[in-house]
Amino acid sequence: AQSVTQLDSHVSVSEGTPVLLRCNYSSSYSPSLFWYVQHPNKGLQLLLKYTSAATLVKGINGFEAEFKKSETSFHLTKPSAHMSDAAEYFCVVSDGRGGGFKTIFGAGTRLFVKA
Amino acid sequence: DTAVSQTPKYLVTQMGNDKSIKCEQNLGHDTMYWYKQDSKKFLKIMFSYNNKELIINETVPNRFSPKSPDKAHLNLHINSLELGDSAVYFCASSHVDRGNTIYFGEGSWLTVV
Repeated sequence: AQSVTQLDSHVSVSEGTPVLLRCNYSSSYSPSLFWYVQHPNKGLQLLLKYTSAATLVKGINGFEAEFKKSETSFHLTKPSAHMSDAAEYFCVVSDGRGGGFKTIFGAGTRLFVKA
Repeated sequence: DTAVSQTPKYLVTQMGNDKSIKCEQNLGHDTMYWYKQDSKKFLKIMFSYNNKELIINETVPNRFSPKSPDKAHLNLHINSLELGDSAVYFCASSHVDRGNTIYFGEGSWLTVV
């Protein structure tokens, strides 16, 4: 069985400060892990993905995430927040075989960026 | 080129009506999906379909049905619309040989009045 928990429903940061969005997962298989971003009234855009290669994954817009098997975590970070980063972020786990029913979405973390 | 495109983007309709949302992907993917996103942003998979297998989320009412004329299209038909059907519906696709990453359309905002 798989599950994914996003530990914060809302995160608020000031522009120019670091961003940390936390995600923990559980999986019976070697998982693939993803982060997606959803801006208001838009679809979900893939930020980055981990598929058993390097544990530190770099994504678009300066985001990165580190896969820590011992902690079953896949936290998303960015060194310096920008106003345009304000959006909903989803952590996603797939059991490697993939496909919609084997892919579980977290409940989402809303990121607020203050000027 | 839009990879996964769905129409209409916005749809307002009355209870009891029947409506369809169309979806097309030009990525050459073998599997397509429909997701429902509620007002709390929670995403629920409704259907998964490739040319061999349709998987239905058992919690989805049978008023909802997917129709696939070919591998690149998966339309969503909804009969006898209810107020609770108001949500954002996302079409998506993935391919087994390309890491199974799911790619989403822009969404269709359905409001039932």
